[in-house]
Amino acid sequence: DVKVTQSSRYLVKRTGEKVFLECVQDMDHENMFWYRQDPGLGLRLIYFSYDVKMKEKGDIPEGYSVSREKKERFSLILESASTNQTSMYLCASSWEGRWETQYFGPGTRLLVL
Amino acid sequence: EDKVVQSPLSLVVHEGDTVTLNCSYEVTNFRSLLWYKQEKKAPTFLFMLTSSGIEKKSGRLSSILDKKELFSILNITATQTGDSAIYLCAVWGTSYGKLTFGQGTILTVHP
Repeated sequence: DVKVTQSSRYLVKRTGEKVFLECVQDMDHENMFWYRQDPGLGLRLIYFSYDVKMKEKGDIPEGYSVSREKKERFSLILESASTNQTSMYLCASSWEGRWETQYFGPGTRLLVL
Repeated sequence: EDKVVQSPLSLVVHEGDTVTLNCSYEVTNFRSLLWYKQEKKAPTFLFMLTSSGIEKKSGRLSSILDKKELFSILNITATQTGDSAIYLCAVWGTSYGKLTFGQGTILTVHP
């Protein structure tokens, strides 16, 4: 079974803090993705990566950065958290060339005060 | 810009009812449409549809795609409380690496 894990289920941070969200997959997937999910807006792609050290912007990259130093790990970084970044963050992964079949992690619910 | 719209946004039914969830899309160079079920955790894959008119079925769930009218439906028959979830529709088009998701339909099934 494919397993995608995220470092925290719930996180509370203060405005201006630097926040790291970690995602690890155990299936040797080439592609990894970060989404945020908000009521009424569905899932929106923040960044994705198709290989180690490679990254591409999604639809809403502003205020975020990512890091992929190892194939199995994809980190989402909020350089200076703001209240409008309060959301559910979902990580996903997929095999090379199989962009559509994504396996999701359980999500991190981030609250920025 | 690719767009996916789901309806209704929320639905409340009783056990045993049949429900139909809708997903319409505008995507350049359509490749596939996917349905996911999301309970209080990771979305899990239900169906992938690429061809019009071919019904995909899994137990009480079924889905069909109409590429001419640009929509898909997800049917759930004899609903159970365990069907309560958010149902997500996503489409893969031209954009490299990118699935476009709809807003989701929140289904609540009461005993």
